[in-house]
Amino acid sequence: GAVVSQHPSWVICKSGTSVKIECRSLDFQATTMFWYRQFPKQSLMLMATSNEGSKATYEQGVEKDKFLINHASLTLSTLTVTSAHPEDSSFYICSARDLNRAHNEKLFFGSGTQLSVL
Amino acid sequence: DQQVKQNSPSLSVQEGRISILNCDYTNSMFDYFLWYKKYPAEGPTFLISISSIKDKNEDGRFTVFLNKSAKHLSLHIVPSQPGDSAVYFCAASTSINDYKLSFGAGTTVTVRA
Repeated sequence: GAVVSQHPSWVICKSGTSVKIECRSLDFQATTMFWYRQFPKQSLMLMATSNEGSKATYEQGVEKDKFLINHASLTLSTLTVTSAHPEDSSFYICSARDLNRAHNEKLFFGSGTQLSVL
Repeated sequence: DQQVKQNSPSLSVQEGRISILNCDYTNSMFDYFLWYKKYPAEGPTFLISISSIKDKNEDGRFTVFLNKSAKHLSLHIVPSQPGDSAVYFCAASTSINDYKLSFGAGTTVTVRA
């Protein structure tokens, strides 16, 4: 199947710093990518939809100035957690949509990033 | 507000037996349902789906049942195999073309040899 690469897989940072997470579609072009966050024992929650060449669409309650999303190419979307605080510690995961695939196989996920803010 | 709930965080089953995973949802607008499987250090991968016009969809050892009136779906794996040990996520969307999915918290399945 298609491959979505997400880096880093884990990161520890100090409070107040910014952290960038990359999501790359390795063998297909993705005009749309999605960013999710998962707190322990909770569901994957959609944070935003990343659209190539345009602004991201954020879900209600997600601060767009805190979670900066850039989708500058058809194979790369980045999520930057700005001025991270301990409450931002979570598991972040991306997915990418491959329009050339059969419907059920259109969505592919990265392996996730565990962020710990000290 | 979790619209998709998987109330069993874990399930242990003996190899060869049936695994039954349950999922409930609250949003009556959900029209399309999916199950994803996730191994450690990997992203979720698509397993099986069902549209609301059906009440059952089968793919090999995997069968998904949908009870719209109860807002409940289940995934049956039979027979269970050691390679089925993984986290299973239930997901829902308002249409087959809507890729904004609402997920459950997942159920960790352990298949004992």
